[in-house]
Amino acid sequence: QEQLVQSGSELKEPGASVKVSCKASGYTFTRYAMNWVRQAPGQGLEWMGWINTNTGNPTYAQGFTGRFVFSLDTSVSTAYLQISSLRAEDTAVYYCTRDRLVATFDIWGQGTMVTVSS
Amino acid sequence: QSALTQPASVSGSPGQSITISCTGSSSDVGAYNYVTWYQQHPGKAPKLMIYDVSNRPSGVSNRFSGSKSGNTASLTISGLQAEDEADYYCSSHTSSSSTVFGGGTKLTVL
Repeated sequence: QEQLVQSGSELKEPGASVKVSCKASGYTFTRYAMNWVRQAPGQGLEWMGWINTNTGNPTYAQGFTGRFVFSLDTSVSTAYLQISSLRAEDTAVYYCTRDRLVATFDIWGQGTMVTVSS
Repeated sequence: QSALTQPASVSGSPGQSITISCTGSSSDVGAYNYVTWYQQHPGKAPKLMIYDVSNRPSGVSNRFSGSKSGNTASLTISGLQAEDEADYYCSSHTSSSSTVFGGGTKLTVL
């Protein structure tokens, strides 16, 4: 079945970096864009941006430029989110999600909890 | 891009109907028929419930319906059931080719 499986929880110190993976299976990876969504503890969903899985071209939402990088390894149908210079306010669950149509996120990864704490 | 506006909470009794509103602007909800609704249970990933304002994906109960008037979209759940208790989020495509979410609505089934 079509699914996205993300890497496990991470505990990082402030200033460190983290790379979250999102492996797709059950469909042609390059057929659909991949989006990333953040959810801080007890808060709502926040769209971070997306990456074109054909060209690898990323687009970042306001507030997610500079320290956030989307990348791909199409040979293993995997998308990545890297966050550098981590801050306490980056503590959140990060979801990858497939965009089936226009802004229609039909398949979601299980989420990766990133905790930033000293 | 400002978040879409949703009520923080709504509630209803089993069997009743409830409606959750989602208010945006002429740059998002009012401009496109790309309004989407998601259901999220605690500790779980969101689930697609309605797309393109009023379309239901396969497998989603027909008790869920969506509509739009001007800059406001709505999700209606009829015949409320206990398992409908969850957080609901709307989202929309925007004129800057981005996606914006609503703040979320907590549905309580009394």
